[in-house]
Amino acid sequence: DVKVTQSSRYLVKRTGEKVFLECVQDMDHENMFWYRQDPGLGLRLIYFSYDVKMKEKGDIPEGYSVSREKKERFSLILESASTNQTSMYLCASSLSGQGLTDTQYFGPGTRLTVL
Amino acid sequence: RKEVEQDPGPFNVPEGATVAFNCTYSNSASQSFFWYRQDCRKEPKLLMSVYSSGNEDGRFTAQLNRASQYISLLIRDSKLSDSATYLCVVNNGGDSGAGSYQLTFGKGTKLSVIP
Repeated sequence: DVKVTQSSRYLVKRTGEKVFLECVQDMDHENMFWYRQDPGLGLRLIYFSYDVKMKEKGDIPEGYSVSREKKERFSLILESASTNQTSMYLCASSLSGQGLTDTQYFGPGTRLTVL
Repeated sequence: RKEVEQDPGPFNVPEGATVAFNCTYSNSASQSFFWYRQDCRKEPKLLMSVYSSGNEDGRFTAQLNRASQYISLLIRDSKLSDSATYLCVVNNGGDSGAGSYQLTFGKGTKLSVIP
């Protein structure tokens, strides 16, 4: 069974703080993704990575950065948290198959509140 | 802009009913199609992939119409446990490269099955 874990289920931070969200997968997947999910807006891709040390911007990368130093770990960094970054953050991973997109498996999510 | 459109619902149906969800997508280059299920305050999980010829998994049937860029999900004999939000998901295009790894999620259709 694929397992994707996230470092925290709930997190409360103050405006201006630096925030690290960690994601680890145990299935040797090449691809990892960070999304945020907001009511009425659905899931939106922030960043993804298809290999160690590689990263690509998603649809809403502003205010975020990422780090992928090891294959199993993908970190999302909020350099200076703002209240509009209050959201549910979901990490996902997928295997790079030959050709078509493989299923993405999600972690349980981190609900971040920025005060 | 790549869009996936779904009726947000909610669909409130009695147990045993048949319910159908529809979805349209704008990116004609999309090659992979999925339905995910998301329970309240949980992460999305793959329900089923959607193949060109249509496919069935127990009470669930998925159909794809590439010409109309339309995907459907039919649930027969609804159970209380089917209550969830159903997300229509398509890949961003092509069968290789960075676009093929990315998925675009619809905002979801909420289903409530009532006793």
